[in-house]
Amino acid sequence: EVQLVESGEGLVQPGSSMKLSCVASGFTFSNYGMNWIRQAPKKGLEWIALIYYDSSSKYYADSVKGRFTISRDNSKNTLYLEMNSLRSEDTAMYYCARDEGAWGQGVMVTVSS
Amino acid sequence: DIVMTQAPLSVSVTPGESASISCRSSKSLLHSNGITYVYWYLQKPGKSPQLLIYRMSNLASGVPDRFSGSGSETDFTLKISRVEAEDVGIYYCGQLLENPLTFGSGTKLEIK
Repeated sequence: EVQLVESGEGLVQPGSSMKLSCVASGFTFSNYGMNWIRQAPKKGLEWIALIYYDSSSKYYADSVKGRFTISRDNSKNTLYLEMNSLRSEDTAMYYCARDEGAWGQGVMVTVSS
Repeated sequence: DIVMTQAPLSVSVTPGESASISCRSSKSLLHSNGITYVYWYLQKPGKSPQLLIYRMSNLASGVPDRFSGSGSETDFTLKISRVEAEDVGIYYCGQLLENPLTFGSGTKLEIK
């Protein structure tokens, strides 16, 4: 069974940093591109980052470009999202999602003073 | 960016009847490889989105065959036959043709 399990949930102050992790199982992680997608409270879905299966290419939404960094460790079947200079508008549920496939259960990131 | 426009905003369906949700893209989602990169997701209350349909008309693993997807290069339809109580939630279309990936604003399905 394909599983994606995020961690790193928390409450942080504006301007601070945070790192999310997503551990994959049930499929060959190193064969797939991976995404981070977020959903602000009571809002729709916003894609924020994509990394190719071999880390050769990375893409970001304009809203996070220069502040967030997506990475992966195929030896650990783990996807990461490093978030810097966090803003209140970054408050959302963050999901990792396999290309054309399953999504994790999500972790809540709250940015507030 | 490709804009995905869904309709209706909400739909109320009697169990056993059918429902259709529409999605329109601002640009053709047909790639030169012949694949149309439109996807359908269902977000059940309190849960993460789950993939229902990929590449316009392919049923994702474990999804009941009551769900089907169809369309053209820019106009797409998700049809749910014989709606059941477990189908309630918000349905999103999304495009994976190009970055940034974009989603429709969602259609809420309720049971009468």
